[in-house]
Amino acid sequence: GAGVSQSPSNKVTEKGKDVELRCDPISGHTALYWYRQSLGQGLEFLIYFQGNSAPDKSGLPSDRFSAERTGGSVSTLTIQRTQQEDSAVYLCASSLSTHLGTQYFGPGTRLTVL
Amino acid sequence: KNEVEQSPQNLTAQEGEFITINCSYSVGISALHWLQQHPGGGIVSLFMLSSGKKKHGRLIATINIQEKHSSLHITASHPRDSAVYICAVPDSGGGADGLTFGKGTHLIIQP
Repeated sequence: GAGVSQSPSNKVTEKGKDVELRCDPISGHTALYWYRQSLGQGLEFLIYFQGNSAPDKSGLPSDRFSAERTGGSVSTLTIQRTQQEDSAVYLCASSLSTHLGTQYFGPGTRLTVL
Repeated sequence: KNEVEQSPQNLTAQEGEFITINCSYSVGISALHWLQQHPGGGIVSLFMLSSGKKKHGRLIATINIQEKHSSLHITASHPRDSAVYICAVPDSGGGADGLTFGKGTHLIIQP
């Protein structure tokens, strides 16, 4: 079946612009996660959703970052007033449920802020 | 917040060698994940385990909950096993939140 998909695969933007990244989880997966991987750095947790609610937003690096999920499916991660340090690969993962669920990763969106 | 240590950071071995990658964490957990990231960047979940041992093909993962330690073994290693292997645990241990990741082990298998 279809895996986790993300769009766009690459995004180049100018500093100060807003960007929106999209994640389509595997059908039926109630849990959805956003991570990012900066160049040469490890993976960093941003936020997760159980259904449409986000119990844990502690990983969001600043108030310029927000995420929503509607209909228990598609999620968007929005970065306002992008900065060069936001350049990274943004990864989405989904799992059947948050507890003890194997996470399936999407291919990521490579964001470059000029 | 859980802290994850992986070793070694880099490992180069010859084809056919037995490979061991280690992972230690600081907070008791419900499950631990081993992930594989290929040079193209895609991440694949290899194992999720909460106790004992799991085997898939030439890959074996073990975990010791009391010692807060897990190992990933590769038997009869092959150049296609070259990748970054990442250990990950729940952020706070309980499983109902995001993952904290180790820095990864960069494995190169030479023919």
